[in-house]
Amino acid sequence: EVQLVESGGGLAQPGGSLRLSCTASGITFTTYSMSWVRQAPGKGLEWVSYITSGSSTIFYADSVKGRFTISRDNAKKSLYLQMNSLRVEDTAVYYCASWPLSLHAFDIWGQGTMVTVSS
Amino acid sequence: EIVLTQSPGTLSLSPGERATLSCRASQSVSSSYLAWYQQKPGQAPRLLIYGASSRATGIPDRFSGSGSGTDFTLTISRLEPEDFAVYYCQQYGSSSFTFGPGTKVDIK
Repeated sequence: EVQLVESGGGLAQPGGSLRLSCTASGITFTTYSMSWVRQAPGKGLEWVSYITSGSSTIFYADSVKGRFTISRDNAKKSLYLQMNSLRVEDTAVYYCASWPLSLHAFDIWGQGTMVTVSS
Repeated sequence: EIVLTQSPGTLSLSPGERATLSCRASQSVSSSYLAWYQQKPGQAPRLLIYGASSRATGIPDRFSGSGSGTDFTLTISRLEPEDFAVYYCQQYGSSSFTFGPGTKVDIK
């Protein structure tokens, strides 16, 4: 079964840090570019970050640039998002999603992990 | 950054009716990089259409996409009960990805 499973969400204080993980199964992870997409409560989807299969190209949304770091470990079929200097407005469900170059779209999504930033 | 605008914000229709959703971009978007997603409450988004007009695997043929440049359309030919959801368009360009604000299709 093709699956992406996120973990690592939880409660953090403003200015704090969290590290999200996304583990893939049922796909050839090493051939996929990946992204993080978030959704604040009751709001729409917001793209956060993107990384190519070999980590050679990385993009960030302006809202997280300089605070968040995306990375991956292909041997572990895992994607990560290190989130530092967290703000209240980072509160959201964070999804990992695969971006196959054959489709140029986010074709597989995880179930999401909730991040709450509050004092 | 390319901004996507979706209209209408909410579409109230009955099962069996045709739904036409619009996505307009602030500047020209490559059709190869325009996609549509469906999201139901409490669920992750699901890819419906990629490349502006190609259906993703397992998507029924009542869903179709069209358009080019700055104007794109998602059409649901005959609404089924499971189609009532929020629909997002999304584009990639200039090292950035953006989503539209979504169109909610609800039951009239």
